[in-house]
Amino acid sequence: NAGVTQTPKFQVLKTGQSMTLQCAQDMNHEYMSWYRQDPGMGLRLIHYSVGAGITDQGEVPNGYNVSRSTTEDFPLRLLSAAPSQTSVYFCASSPGFRQPQHFGDGTRLSIL
Amino acid sequence: QQPVQSPQAVILREGEDAVINCSSSKALYSVHWYRQKHGEAPVFLMILLKGGEQKGHDKISASFNEKKQQSSLYLTASQLSYSGTYFCGTEPFNDYKLSFGAGTTVTVRA
Repeated sequence: NAGVTQTPKFQVLKTGQSMTLQCAQDMNHEYMSWYRQDPGMGLRLIHYSVGAGITDQGEVPNGYNVSRSTTEDFPLRLLSAAPSQTSVYFCASSPGFRQPQHFGDGTRLSIL
Repeated sequence: QQPVQSPQAVILREGEDAVINCSSSKALYSVHWYRQKHGEAPVFLMILLKGGEQKGHDKISASFNEKKQQSSLYLTASQLSYSGTYFCGTEPFNDYKLSFGAGTTVTVRA
């Protein structure tokens, strides 16, 4: 099993550009989430989904959109990239609530 | 709201013990613990549910005091492989969001 796969691994954007970070899992997990990790701030929840067609905001949702059309995929869209969105982004999945999270390897995003 | 972890960093020699604390202002249903090595993804260690149970993973164990909304992670007889950043994650009773603390960086030296 591949687990949680994130693409791309690295990306450089210019301010104002848009892009989609991809996340796919092959474990048939219902719960998926996106976190960003910045030095000294730990992991902050951006958006999460409890199943296909259902998404909700986390702690830092501004500037990001998500959708969940299938159980496997949970893409994160940056609408108009800003330097403050430079970060490492992690996607995670779990069978349900109160369950261990499986993290992808992360996407390192730099916005100039 | 993110839980508060302490200390921010700790340096140990092999064989020494350490305790990492995690506290929340919300009533918690569960507490997760993860470890992240530099440049890698966080890896699940254990989850504690309400009821004050204690769990273990090798010589790493944790407790959960649901009355105080606090959890502690115990590193016993530390090994070089224990180095990394430890994160606690908390899930409140009335919410499905898993929020993480800022992390505790553990360095174990020979």
